[in-house]
Order: sequence, then structure tokens, then C-alpha cells
Amino acid sequence: DGGITQSPKYLFRKEGQNVTLSCEQNLNHDAMYWYRQDPGQGLRLIYYSQIVNDFQKGDIAEGYSVSREKKESFPLTVTSAQKNPTAFYLCASSAPGQGLRGELFFGEGSRLTVL
Amino acid sequence: EDQVTQSPEALRLQEGESSSLNCSYTVSGLRGLFWYRQDPGKGPEFLFTLYSAGEEKEKERLKATLTKKESFLHITAPKPEDSATYLCAVDFNDYKLSFGAGTTVTVRA
Repeated sequence: DGGITQSPKYLFRKEGQNVTLSCEQNLNHDAMYWYRQDPGQGLRLIYYSQIVNDFQKGDIAEGYSVSREKKESFPLTVTSAQKNPTAFYLCASSAPGQGLRGELFFGEGSRLTVL
Repeated sequence: EDQVTQSPEALRLQEGESSSLNCSYTVSGLRGLFWYRQDPGKGPEFLFTLYSAGEEKEKERLKATLTKKESFLHITAPKPEDSATYLCAVDFNDYKLSFGAGTTVTVRA
């Protein structure tokens, strides 16, 4: 089945550590995105990538980094510079021509907790 | 600043009790409005896209409508399996979607 796979589902981090969240898709979509979801707030865009080897900052990119070396993969690193990293992280993709304005396909999410 | 507001924050319904969720937005060149369903601990699942005032979309017990300043998601004769958080997202002619905080619907048998 085509879809987006995020791992790990749960992750615990000590303060000062960097962690990397994995996102893999087999939908052959060009565009991929990372969102952060906090209770009582809408999804906020962290980074997005419309093609391989290119990515752009979203609204809350500080303390995060990404790479897009392969079409299928868009990992997110939460660095120690992120002041409040505890959140639910969602990876998404969209079909060609949709860009950020179309139907998004989401993964199951990764919940990061800082101890 | 373009904003998306969803109400109510939470909605508790008895099975079969129809109701509506609201998504209002500031007007700044709407290009599209999207509804998603999100189950606890899962990623959102796409439901509908609406592009122009007067447009309606239906899927099973759900019906989405759009006016110039708001959208409604009507749930007709809900069942417990309709319990979820419903998210509204708007394309404001910008590079990204703006999401509302969602309405959490609980349907009791």
C-alpha cells in the first residue's frame, strides 16, 4: 500500500540532545512537509520541500533542520536549539501540481517528549 | 493576518443527534478550504476541498458547505465511529495552508 511512514512513533529526548525523525513516502510525490501539532493549536509548518535537494523554511523553522537527498525521504532533526520540542510531529506529502495548496497525505506522526 | 477559527472546540453528541461544526476565516483571497479528520494519535485524513461560495461536498454522514466567510461541516445522524477531531485548513493565496485548532467530536452510543 502506498503511504507515508514516520518513525519512531514515540521518542524521548534528554535536554541538549539532537534527535532525527524519519519520514519515508512511496507515493511518488514531489512535495513533502513537516508540521508540528500542539494541544489547542492548529498545525504549524516547520519546513517544506518541493523537489529533491531543495527545501524552504516554514513558519517555525528555528531549532529544526531537514535534508532532501532522495525523493522518498525527508528527515527532520530537532536540535538542542529548539526551546520547546515536546510535540506531535507530522510529515505530509502532496501530489504533483498540488504544492502546498492541495490535498495533503499525512503520516501517522511521531510524538517527541523531552525529559 | 489571515486566520482560521474553528468552533466549538469540543462537541458531545448522542448517536443520531445531528449537528454542525464551523470554520470561519478572515477574507484575504481564498483559494481553497479543506476539511480533515484526525483520530487520536494519528495523522489527519483528507475529507473535502471547497473552492467557491455555494459549493457543497458530501461523504457518508458528512456534508461540507462554503460561504464567503465560513464553512460548515454538518454531521447527520452521527455514529460513535464519527468521533474524531475535525480540522479545517485554508489556502489564503499564500505559499501554505493555515490550519484551525480543530473541533473534537465525541458521539455516545
